Amino acid sequence: GAVVSQHPSWVICKSGTSVKIECRSLDFQATTMFWYRQFPKQSLMLMATSNEGSKATYEQGVEKDKFLINHASLTLSTLTVTSAHPEDSSFYICSARASGRVDEQFFGPGTRLTVL
Amino acid sequence: AQSVSQHNHHVILSEAASLELGCNYSYGGTVNLFWYVQYPGQHLQLLLKYFSGDPLVKGIKGFEAEFIKSKFSFNLRKPSVQWSDTAEYFCAVMGGGGFKTIFGAGTRLFVKA
Repeated sequence: GAVVSQHPSWVICKSGTSVKIECRSLDFQATTMFWYRQFPKQSLMLMATSNEGSKATYEQGVEKDKFLINHASLTLSTLTVTSAHPEDSSFYICSARASGRVDEQFFGPGTRLTVL
Repeated sequence: AQSVSQHNHHVILSEAASLELGCNYSYGGTVNLFWYVQYPGQHLQLLLKYFSGDPLVKGIKGFEAEFIKSKFSFNLRKPSVQWSDTAEYFCAVMGGGGFKTIFGAGTRLFVKA
């Protein structure tokens, strides 16, 4: 099946620094990638939809200047958490949808961000 | 706007018991419905999906779900659970422009051996 990877799997950073998380589709081309945030014992909250070569579409309440998303190629999307603060600590999950397919998205393993 | 409601946050069953997890959604247009499972320490996997056709959908590992349009429901069922079904189950709805998927809060299932 289709594989989506994320890097890093776990990152700890100091408050005020920026962190970049990568999401890659390993064996398929993904025109659309999604970024989710999952709080402990809660569901996935969609943050933004990223289409290759265009600006991401952010969900209401998500600060686009804080969570920078770039989808520069058909296999890579990045999420940069700028000037991170402890409240940004969370589990960030990406998913990817293959080109021409709308019926399934494949999830990455997630990245745990801890901001001290 | 779409929303998804899962009725049970935690379910504890003994092996061989039957399972039914409730899911209701709110959306006025055509929807596509999913159930995902997240086993401990693993990432989300698709259990089954409904797009059109037979409202009774069969998925992997003996799971099935029934789409009842009049009730805006898509409940997940399994006749006899196993210890290995211990996981978190998410109902999800995709609809509208952009084909974004909205998830329910999840149901944690614990199956006692």
